[in-house]
Amino acid sequence: EIVLTQSPGTLSLSPGERATLSCRASQSVSGNYLDWYQQKPGQAPRLLIYGASTRATGIPDRFSGSGSGTDFNITISRLEPKDFAVYYCHQYGTLPWTFGQGTTVEIK
Amino acid sequence: EVQLLESGGGLVQPEGSLRLSCAASGFTFNSYAMTWVRQAPGRGLEWVSTLTGRGGNKFYADSVKGRFTISRDNSKNTLYLQMNSLRAEDTAVYYCAKDKWELPGPLDHWGQGTLVTVSS
Repeated sequence: EIVLTQSPGTLSLSPGERATLSCRASQSVSGNYLDWYQQKPGQAPRLLIYGASTRATGIPDRFSGSGSGTDFNITISRLEPKDFAVYYCHQYGTLPWTFGQGTTVEIK
Repeated sequence: EVQLLESGGGLVQPEGSLRLSCAASGFTFNSYAMTWVRQAPGRGLEWVSTLTGRGGNKFYADSVKGRFTISRDNSKNTLYLQMNSLRAEDTAVYYCAKDKWELPGPLDHWGQGTLVTVSS
């Protein structure tokens, strides 16, 4: 099984700052089939990025994804109050598909 | 507008059974794979099972293989998850999600989830 390790566990930042979240895979993610989700308390997750770098429909361009192989990042260029949430990476290239443990982006 | 509405959750005793349903609307149901993802209280997301659009291929996490069965009725636009031999560690919110393609892929729409509690 591919283990996805996200870092940091918690990121404390202020609105307007730049956030970079990391997702490292225990082995190469086939096809770069890696996506990112945002989850707010009491809500379902929302797809942000798929295929490592393609923004999902309706996702603003302050969200960007990068990486390949075993190292992936999502960057939020300028944090808005609504961006404070938990972020998960997910790989669907190799069974069993797996999620990272999540990174919490909190208001500093 | 894509809508996914889960139902069937509740309290069940260990070793009991439960069937979850997910009613879908707003898209051509049989053209997309569908997935169940769960989230234990206060924990992260865990992929459970995926079924391709025409139902030909099913995939399961090891933690549920042999106990859970995913299925779909394309005439009713409904996805199911039959859960047998339930354990305390199956306690979670279960989300139904639409895959972006007919084959497994990104999960571009999610339901609001249904809570399953396994306890005596």
